[in-house]
Amino acid sequence: QPALTQPAAVSGSPGQSISVSCIGSASDIGASDSVSWYQQSPDRAPKLIIYDVSSRPEGISGRFSGSKSGYTASLSISGLHEEDEALYFCSSRGGGDRPVVFGSGTRVTVL
Amino acid sequence: QVQLLQESGPRQVKPSQTLTLTCTVTGAFIDRGEHHWAWIRQTAETGLEWIGHVYTTISRTYNPSLKSRVTISVDMSRNQFSLRLTSVTAADTAVYYCGGAEYGRHYAVDFWGRGTAVSVS
Repeated sequence: QPALTQPAAVSGSPGQSISVSCIGSASDIGASDSVSWYQQSPDRAPKLIIYDVSSRPEGISGRFSGSKSGYTASLSISGLHEEDEALYFCSSRGGGDRPVVFGSGTRVTVL
Repeated sequence: QVQLLQESGPRQVKPSQTLTLTCTVTGAFIDRGEHHWAWIRQTAETGLEWIGHVYTTISRTYNPSLKSRVTISVDMSRNQFSLRLTSVTAADTAVYYCGGAEYGRHYAVDFWGRGTAVSVS
C-alpha cells in the first residue's frame, strides 16, 4: 500500500492549469524538503520533473512547478499540453527505517 | 555526459528461488560518490516501491519490508551494481528498475534504466 496518497485521476483542457496533490504525514513529507515528482508515459521509465519540493532538473519545462504545505505536496502544470498526458508519482524520504516512499500515482488526462 | 543504465537478468524465476539482476552504468562512475544507486520496482497494483540503494561501498540501505531478503552489491571494476532477492513469490513479479540519484538531492532519481519485467512462476 503506497505511503503517500494521490488522487487517481486529474483532467484538464489544453491551456488550462491543473494541480496534483500528494498527502503524507509528519514522518515523511512533513519531516523534510525531500519531495520529488515523476512523470511516466506508457511503457517508459519514470522521469524526474521536480526534486527538493520545487526544483526542476535541467531541461524540464517551467510549466511544471512544485510546492509543499504541512504534510501535503502539490505538483502544478500550467498551460496544459497534450504531451503532458501521463502518470505522475510523488515521492519523499520516508520516516524511520524507510529510505523512500512513493505516492499511489495520478493519471493526468488532457481533454 | 549522458548517463545510461541498463538492467540485465532473467525474465522468469521460479517461486522460492533467488532473483539476481545487474545494472550496468555508463557515463557515470559508481565509485565517485556522486550518486546513490538504487533498485526500484513497479507493479500495476502497488505502484512504485523503493527496494534499496548503495552509496559507493560505504553504505547500503534497504526497505524494511524487504530487508530480510535483499542484498545490493557493487562491482567497481565493471561499474555495475546488483540486486539479489531471495525466496521469491508471486508478489515479487514486477518491473524492476535501477536508477541513479544525485548525492544531496534527497534520493531524487534523475536517471533510470529502461526496466526489466520479471515474472515469478
